[in-house]
Amino acid sequence: GAVVSQHPSWVICKSGTSVKIECRSLDFQATTMFWYRQFPKQSLMLMATSNEGSKATYEQGVEKDKFLINHASLTLSTLTVTSAHPEDSSFYICSASLGQDGEQYFGPGTRLTVT
Amino acid sequence: GQQVMQIPQYQHVQEGEDFTTYCNSSTTLSNIQWYKQRPGGHPVFLIQLVKSGEVKKQKRLTFQFGEAKKNSSLHITATQTTDVGTYFCAIKKGDYKLSFGAGTTVTVRA
Repeated sequence: GAVVSQHPSWVICKSGTSVKIECRSLDFQATTMFWYRQFPKQSLMLMATSNEGSKATYEQGVEKDKFLINHASLTLSTLTVTSAHPEDSSFYICSASLGQDGEQYFGPGTRLTVT
Repeated sequence: GQQVMQIPQYQHVQEGEDFTTYCNSSTTLSNIQWYKQRPGGHPVFLIQLVKSGEVKKQKRLTFQFGEAKKNSSLHITATQTTDVGTYFCAIKKGDYKLSFGAGTTVTVRA
């Protein structure tokens, strides 16, 4: 089956610093990946669609200059949280769409804590 | 855009009992997917429904799509501790984007 990995699984950073999260498709090529954030006990909120070789498409209300997405290859998308603040602390999950049903396969997530 | 409402938000179930979680929309849906997220884990795809009145079963899980394609349900029989987690319904939009419901968090009393 489709396997998606994320690195790191958790990270603690100081306010004002930037954090990069990697999302890799291990056994398939993904021209499109998705980035979500999930607050405790809440649903997944789509942040952006990452497109290989082109600019990401951001959802309304998501600052593209704060959440930089790069999809340089068919197996890697990165999300960089720039100048992180405590309110950016969240669970960030990536996914890739595969299969006839268009089901999404999710990475294990990255828990970001900004102090 | 299309949104789905999920109820109940929390479901506390005695082990061995059945329960149902519902997903409702005010507009007709072209499809609906269901995912399960274990505590501390990530969502895992369970199933997709596309046909009016469709019913699909996966062991103790029964998924149903309403005749009007405005609602869906997930029914679990003989609940086990392994059923603990949050169940999300999601609708697929253009470009394979998903819009998730709020989820039903299930806890099981042994």
